[in-house]
Amino acid sequence: DQQVKQNSPSLSVQEGRISILNCDYTNSMFDYFLWYKKYPAEGPTFLISISSIKDKNEDGRFTVFLNKSAKHLSLHIVPSQPGDSAVYFCAASANFGNEKLTFGTGTRLTIIP
Amino acid sequence: DSGVTQTPKHLITATGQRVTLRCSPRSGDLSVYWYQQSLDQGLQFLIQYYNGEERAKGNILERFSAQQFPDLHSELNLSSLELGDSALYFCASSAYRGLGNTIYFGEGSWLTVV
Repeated sequence: DQQVKQNSPSLSVQEGRISILNCDYTNSMFDYFLWYKKYPAEGPTFLISISSIKDKNEDGRFTVFLNKSAKHLSLHIVPSQPGDSAVYFCAASANFGNEKLTFGTGTRLTIIP
Repeated sequence: DSGVTQTPKHLITATGQRVTLRCSPRSGDLSVYWYQQSLDQGLQFLIQYYNGEERAKGNILERFSAQQFPDLHSELNLSSLELGDSALYFCASSAYRGLGNTIYFGEGSWLTVV
């Protein structure tokens, strides 16, 4: 039972444009959501997070939007840069903690120069 | 460099064998987590330790066990290995628990069971 779903295995975006990565979840107990970025041969790196008391969180070029009623979150990267090419994982946890993160299967983002 | 160190980076072993994966958390981090990533799968939470005590458990098989030592390093023991255990095993650490607590991942240990 995949509680966190990233339905797009891959996404290609031109440099300078907006990249939008999507994530859906099914567990109503999830109240904290995170995005991780992963380069080959490296571990996932924390990117940005949002708690369920907010619907938007921004950090530089990265913005995460949360739609609780739709159980959907998205990561926007503006403008997209070649260094953003990586696999992006959406993750969720319950009880406002980082314990027992449930990850999606990832979306491979390729930025086209 | 996240500061989380995992050894070995690569390991090839035969079915039925036992292996131990080692993790040194970031300096001062009290929580250690183990995750498994199989081919085309997301990261699956296995287990968490906090300051030496088991804190949370995921879908960890009975053939797998872990512990966190007084110096806070952790080991994941995998026994009676099967082909399906081939995966990338990540260790992660964090300073404490709760909102805003960032988890830092190591580079992973590639396990291949043949």
